[in-house]
Amino acid sequence: KAGVTQTPRYLIKTRGQQVTLSCSPISGHRSVSWYQQTPGQGLQFLFEYFSETQRNKGNFPGRFSGRQFSNSRSEMNVSTLELGDSALYLCASRTGGAGDTQYFGPGTRLTVL
Amino acid sequence: AQSVTQPDIHITVSEGASLELRCNYSYGATPYLFWYVQSPGQGLQLLLKYFSGDTLVQGIKGFEAEFKRSQSSFNLRKPSVHWSDAAEYFCAVGEAGGSYIPTFGRGTSLIVHP
Repeated sequence: KAGVTQTPRYLIKTRGQQVTLSCSPISGHRSVSWYQQTPGQGLQFLFEYFSETQRNKGNFPGRFSGRQFSNSRSEMNVSTLELGDSALYLCASRTGGAGDTQYFGPGTRLTVL
Repeated sequence: AQSVTQPDIHITVSEGASLELRCNYSYGATPYLFWYVQSPGQGLQLLLKYFSGDTLVQGIKGFEAEFKRSQSSFNLRKPSVHWSDAAEYFCAVGEAGGSYIPTFGRGTSLIVHP
Protein backbone atom coordinates (compact mmCIF):
# COMPACT_ATOMS: atom_id res chain seq x y z
CA LYS A 1 0.00 0.00 0.00
CA ALA A 2 1.34 3.42 -0.83
CA GLY A 3 2.06 5.69 2.11
CA VAL A 4 0.94 9.21 2.81
CA THR A 5 2.15 11.61 0.16
CA GLN A 6 2.54 15.36 0.46
CA THR A 7 3.13 17.94 -2.23
CA PRO A 8 5.11 19.98 -2.69
CA ARG A 9 8.03 18.88 -0.55
CA TYR A 10 9.56 22.33 -0.41
CA LEU A 11 8.13 25.82 -0.77
CA ILE A 12 9.56 29.30 -0.51
CA LYS A 13 7.14 32.19 -0.15
CA THR A 14 7.30 35.80 0.92
CA ARG A 15 5.40 37.50 3.71
CA GLY A 16 1.81 38.32 2.86
CA GLN A 17 1.42 35.61 0.26
CA GLN A 18 -0.77 32.59 0.67
CA VAL A 19 0.07 28.92 0.20
CA THR A 20 -1.77 25.65 -0.34
CA LEU A 21 -0.33 22.30 0.70
CA SER A 22 -1.70 18.97 -0.41
CA CYS A 23 -1.91 15.58 1.28
CA SER A 24 -3.01 12.24 -0.14
CA PRO A 25 -3.75 9.70 2.61
CA ILE A 26 -3.24 5.97 2.59
CA SER A 27 -5.95 4.25 0.61
CA GLY A 28 -8.93 3.50 2.84
CA HIS A 29 -8.01 6.10 5.45
CA ARG A 30 -10.76 8.62 6.04
CA SER A 31 -9.06 10.80 8.62
CA VAL A 32 -6.37 13.32 7.80
CA SER A 33 -4.62 15.46 10.40
CA TRP A 34 -2.23 18.33 9.93
CA TYR A 35 0.63 19.30 12.21
CA GLN A 36 3.11 22.15 12.29
CA GLN A 37 6.60 21.28 13.45
CA THR A 38 9.12 23.92 14.48
CA PRO A 39 12.28 23.72 16.59
CA GLY A 40 10.80 26.06 19.17
CA GLN A 41 7.30 24.65 19.55
CA GLY A 42 7.71 21.04 18.52
CA LEU A 43 4.78 19.22 16.95
CA GLN A 44 1.57 21.22 17.16
CA PHE A 45 -1.79 19.93 16.00
CA LEU A 46 -3.57 22.11 13.46
CA PHE A 47 -6.77 20.26 12.56
CA GLU A 48 -8.26 16.92 11.64
CA TYR A 49 -10.68 16.12 8.87
CA PHE A 50 -12.83 13.03 8.72
CA SER A 51 -15.19 12.30 5.84
CA GLU A 52 -14.91 15.87 4.55
CA THR A 53 -15.77 17.44 7.93
CA GLN A 54 -13.43 19.16 10.33
CA ARG A 55 -13.56 17.01 13.45
CA ASN A 56 -10.92 18.62 15.64
CA LYS A 57 -9.08 21.90 15.62
CA GLY A 58 -5.95 23.08 17.35
CA ASN A 59 -5.12 26.52 18.64
CA PHE A 60 -4.08 28.30 15.46
CA PRO A 61 -5.35 31.56 13.97
CA GLY A 62 -7.97 31.63 11.26
CA ARG A 63 -5.28 32.19 8.63
CA PHE A 64 -4.81 28.44 8.77
CA SER A 65 -7.61 26.52 7.11
CA GLY A 66 -8.13 23.21 5.47
CA ARG A 67 -10.53 21.02 3.62
CA GLN A 68 -10.99 17.43 2.64
CA PHE A 69 -12.36 16.07 -0.59
CA SER A 70 -14.60 13.09 -1.18
CA ASN A 71 -11.58 10.93 -2.03
CA SER A 72 -10.10 11.82 1.41
CA ARG A 73 -7.35 13.95 -0.08
CA SER A 74 -6.81 17.07 1.97
CA GLU A 75 -5.47 20.53 1.44
CA MET A 76 -4.22 23.05 3.94
CA ASN A 77 -4.16 26.76 3.22
CA VAL A 78 -2.27 29.49 4.99
CA SER A 79 -3.14 33.06 4.07
CA THR A 80 -1.19 36.24 4.73
CA LEU A 81 2.01 34.38 5.50
CA GLU A 82 4.20 35.52 8.37
CA LEU A 83 7.85 34.75 9.02
CA GLY A 84 6.81 32.59 11.96
CA ASP A 85 4.88 30.28 9.64
CA SER A 86 8.16 28.82 8.42
CA ALA A 87 7.97 25.20 9.49
CA LEU A 88 7.69 21.59 8.46
CA TYR A 89 4.01 20.82 7.87
CA LEU A 90 3.16 17.20 8.40
CA CYS A 91 0.09 15.35 7.31
CA ALA A 92 -1.01 12.12 8.96
CA SER A 93 -3.75 9.73 7.97
CA ARG A 94 -5.60 6.97 9.80
CA THR A 95 -8.71 4.93 9.29
CA GLY A 96 -10.61 7.08 11.77
CA GLY A 97 -11.75 4.28 14.03
CA ALA A 98 -11.14 3.85 17.73
CA GLY A 99 -7.58 3.03 18.68
CA ASP A 100 -6.13 3.29 15.21
CA THR A 101 -2.68 4.59 14.37
CA GLN A 102 -1.60 7.71 12.55
CA TYR A 103 0.76 7.33 9.62
CA PHE A 104 2.74 10.39 8.65
CA GLY A 105 3.81 11.78 5.32
CA PRO A 106 7.29 13.18 4.65
CA GLY A 107 6.12 16.75 5.20
CA THR A 108 6.26 20.02 3.30
CA ARG A 109 9.05 22.38 4.27
CA LEU A 110 7.71 25.94 4.06
CA THR A 111 10.10 28.86 4.21
CA VAL A 112 8.69 32.36 4.47
CA LEU A 113 11.06 35.19 3.55
CA ALA B 1 -5.66 17.22 29.73
CA GLN B 2 -3.19 14.66 28.59
CA SER B 3 0.50 15.50 28.42
CA VAL B 4 3.77 13.83 27.57
CA THR B 5 7.21 14.54 29.00
CA GLN B 6 10.43 13.40 27.43
CA PRO B 7 12.96 14.54 30.02
CA ASP B 8 16.04 14.09 27.85
CA ILE B 9 16.47 16.57 25.01
CA HIS B 10 19.64 14.88 23.77
CA ILE B 11 21.15 11.48 24.44
CA THR B 12 24.54 10.33 23.22
CA VAL B 13 25.50 6.67 23.07
CA SER B 14 28.26 4.66 21.48
CA GLU B 15 27.44 2.28 18.68
CA GLY B 16 26.71 -1.14 20.12
CA ALA B 17 25.69 0.21 23.51
CA SER B 18 22.21 -0.21 24.93
CA LEU B 19 19.67 2.59 24.81
CA GLU B 20 16.76 3.72 26.93
CA LEU B 21 14.68 6.79 26.08
CA ARG B 22 12.33 7.99 28.77
CA CYS B 23 8.71 8.99 28.36
CA ASN B 24 6.28 9.97 31.11
CA TYR B 25 2.66 10.75 30.45
CA SER B 26 -0.25 12.27 32.26
CA TYR B 27 -3.65 10.88 31.46
CA GLY B 28 -6.66 9.91 33.53
CA ALA B 29 -7.65 6.65 31.89
CA THR B 30 -5.72 3.91 30.17
CA PRO B 31 -3.80 5.63 27.42
CA TYR B 32 -2.84 4.63 23.96
CA LEU B 33 0.92 5.11 23.71
CA PHE B 34 3.18 5.46 20.71
CA TRP B 35 6.82 5.90 19.84
CA TYR B 36 7.75 7.51 16.55
CA VAL B 37 11.14 8.18 14.96
CA GLN B 38 11.99 11.03 12.65
CA SER B 39 15.09 11.24 10.50
CA PRO B 40 16.27 14.71 9.42
CA GLY B 41 13.89 16.33 6.96
CA GLN B 42 11.51 13.40 7.05
CA GLY B 43 8.11 12.59 8.48
CA LEU B 44 7.47 10.46 11.54
CA GLN B 45 7.67 6.69 11.33
CA LEU B 46 5.82 4.54 13.85
CA LEU B 47 8.16 2.32 15.88
CA LEU B 48 5.62 0.69 18.15
CA LYS B 49 2.37 1.24 19.98
CA TYR B 50 0.60 0.08 23.11
CA PHE B 51 -3.16 -0.18 23.31
CA SER B 52 -3.76 -2.97 25.81
CA GLY B 53 -2.56 -6.40 26.83
CA ASP B 54 1.08 -7.31 27.27
CA THR B 55 2.90 -4.33 28.74
CA LEU B 56 6.12 -5.14 26.89
CA VAL B 57 5.69 -4.15 23.28
CA GLN B 58 7.96 -5.13 20.42
CA GLY B 59 8.44 -2.78 17.52
CA ILE B 60 10.37 -2.42 14.32
CA LYS B 61 14.16 -2.05 14.02
CA GLY B 62 14.76 -4.02 17.23
CA PHE B 63 13.05 -1.52 19.54
CA GLU B 64 10.82 -2.39 22.46
CA ALA B 65 8.94 -0.39 25.07
CA GLU B 66 7.43 -1.20 28.42
CA PHE B 67 4.24 0.33 29.76
CA LYS B 68 4.39 0.86 33.52
CA ARG B 69 1.09 2.16 34.80
CA SER B 70 2.38 2.73 38.35
CA GLN B 71 5.11 5.01 37.03
CA SER B 72 3.09 6.54 34.17
CA SER B 73 5.97 5.66 31.91
CA PHE B 74 6.50 4.15 28.49
CA ASN B 75 10.26 3.96 28.02
CA LEU B 76 11.80 2.90 24.73
CA ARG B 77 14.72 0.48 24.72
CA LYS B 78 17.13 -1.13 22.32
CA PRO B 79 19.84 -3.56 23.39
CA SER B 80 22.43 -2.55 20.80
CA VAL B 81 22.34 0.76 18.95
CA HIS B 82 23.40 1.13 15.33
CA TRP B 83 24.71 4.34 13.78
CA SER B 84 21.58 4.44 11.60
CA ASP B 85 19.45 4.84 14.75
CA ALA B 86 20.60 8.44 15.09
CA ALA B 87 17.39 10.45 14.78
CA GLU B 88 14.71 12.28 16.76
CA TYR B 89 12.38 10.12 18.83
CA PHE B 90 8.89 11.16 19.85
CA CYS B 91 6.60 9.65 22.43
CA ALA B 92 2.87 10.28 22.05
CA VAL B 93 -0.23 9.57 24.11
CA GLY B 94 -3.79 9.29 22.86
CA GLU B 95 -7.12 8.20 24.20
CA ALA B 96 -9.70 5.67 23.18
CA GLY B 97 -12.35 6.83 20.79
CA GLY B 98 -12.48 7.64 17.16
CA SER B 99 -11.72 11.33 17.47
CA TYR B 100 -8.67 11.22 19.66
CA ILE B 101 -5.77 13.49 18.82
CA PRO B 102 -2.42 12.24 20.14
CA THR B 103 -0.33 14.57 22.22
CA PHE B 104 3.36 14.47 21.36
CA GLY B 105 6.36 14.99 23.57
CA ARG B 106 9.05 17.49 22.57
CA GLY B 107 11.30 14.70 21.35
CA THR B 108 14.70 13.25 22.24
CA SER B 109 17.57 13.61 19.83
CA LEU B 110 19.73 10.51 19.71
CA ILE B 111 23.38 10.90 18.78
CA VAL B 112 25.38 7.76 18.07
CA HIS B 113 29.16 7.80 18.33
CA PRO B 114 31.17 5.25 16.34
